[in-house]
Amino acid sequence: TQLLEQSPQFLSIQEGENLTVYCNSSSVFSSLQWYRQEPGEGPVLLVTVVTGGEVKKLKRLTFQFGDARKDSSLHITAAQPGDTGLYLCAGGGSSNTGKLIFGQGTTLQVKP
Amino acid sequence: NAGVMQNPRHLVRRRGQEARLRCSPMKGHSHVYWYRQLPEEGLKFMVYLQKENIIDESGMPKERFSAEFPKEGPSILRIQQVVRGDSAAYFCASSPQRGEGYGYTFGSGTRLTVV
Repeated sequence: TQLLEQSPQFLSIQEGENLTVYCNSSSVFSSLQWYRQEPGEGPVLLVTVVTGGEVKKLKRLTFQFGDARKDSSLHITAAQPGDTGLYLCAGGGSSNTGKLIFGQGTTLQVKP
Repeated sequence: NAGVMQNPRHLVRRRGQEARLRCSPMKGHSHVYWYRQLPEEGLKFMVYLQKENIIDESGMPKERFSAEFPKEGPSILRIQQVVRGDSAAYFCASSPQRGEGYGYTFGSGTRLTVV
């Protein structure tokens, strides 16, 4: 069974600080996606990475896919209160059936 | 999220009743996925459908749950004889092509409460 473990589960920081969220597995994934979810809403896709070692940047967010395609990280520079939310990583399997394995999520709170 | 429409947003059912959840994918998307989010748990895959076909239902409970995506109209997730353990948020997602690499657009979900 493929599993994705996210750490930390909860993170509370001050505005302006940097942070990194990790997503780890013992399984290889064909792709890795990061989502952000607000309370009462569905997840919103932030990025998809498909190549081992790939790095993508989205403004202050930097996403990295591990060389072996078993792990990923999300780094936020100079966090802002608007970054507050639940961050989810999700891995796609090699079967290409559309099935995503989601991590448990990291709840981020950025205090002004 | 406005592109994938789910209704109702909230649904209350008594134990033993049927729940019908609807999902209209984004325009141009012919691939639909249903996920369930239980309290304190992550999103769990339930089923993947294309028009008139179930592609992967490996995450669906064997009994009481069914899904369809007809040629015309929205995708329907049906739960018969609901029990308290079915209370959860049910999310639908769609994509333009098959494969996880394309990323999904999720709807806002239907929150089912069984009383």
